[in-house]
Amino acid sequence: KAGVTQTPRYLIKTRGQQVTLSCSPISGHRSVSWYQQTPGQGLQFLFEYFSETQRNKGNFPGRFSGRQFSNSRSEMNVSTLELGDSALYLCASSLGEGGGIQYFGAGTRLSVL
Amino acid sequence: AQSVSQHNHHVILSEAASLELGCNYSYGGTVNLFWYVQYPGQHLQLLLKYFSGDPLVKGIKGFEAEFIKSKFSFNLRKPSVQWSDTAEYFCAVNSPNTGNQFYFGTGTSLTVIP
Repeated sequence: KAGVTQTPRYLIKTRGQQVTLSCSPISGHRSVSWYQQTPGQGLQFLFEYFSETQRNKGNFPGRFSGRQFSNSRSEMNVSTLELGDSALYLCASSLGEGGGIQYFGAGTRLSVL
Repeated sequence: AQSVSQHNHHVILSEAASLELGCNYSYGGTVNLFWYVQYPGQHLQLLLKYFSGDPLVKGIKGFEAEFIKSKFSFNLRKPSVQWSDTAEYFCAVNSPNTGNQFYFGTGTSLTVIP
């Protein structure tokens, strides 16, 4: 079974631009969660989607948004990029029941210049 | 909101030394507990998990963790580390009643010296 796939692996953007990251979960998984990983903060939860609906949301500004498609693939969008948005963005998928094991992708490394 | 504390930020050990990494969480309800590992250049992988039952759980590569409910702790242990255990270790907590929102600690960087 293929793992969680995130594209692209690397992105370089400038301040003020917007960016869209993509995540394909493991086949059969219906829940997709997004995290921001930075050296000082560790992993911080952005949001979770389940059956195309946002089920949970972390404490991030509205510039961070996401969506999930009927095939469970998910996208995350960040608008009006700031220097502080530079981070590794991780996607994790799970079967869907609450508290199940999350399987992580390799991440998208976003650099904002 | 839940939070997770990992008190050891950087740990350096010689091969064959014993390892214990601390993890404490703040949440009074039912929790699922996890340890994830991130080897250099690799993605996060599950090391072990606790859902219920025996509070001493065993994971891959000889790791184990003990859930002590009264102390809100889930410490990771390994009796004898190897150079290949060099990695970053993350403790995570989830409340099964709130979907798949996981709270992670800031991580512990382990360096094992051959």
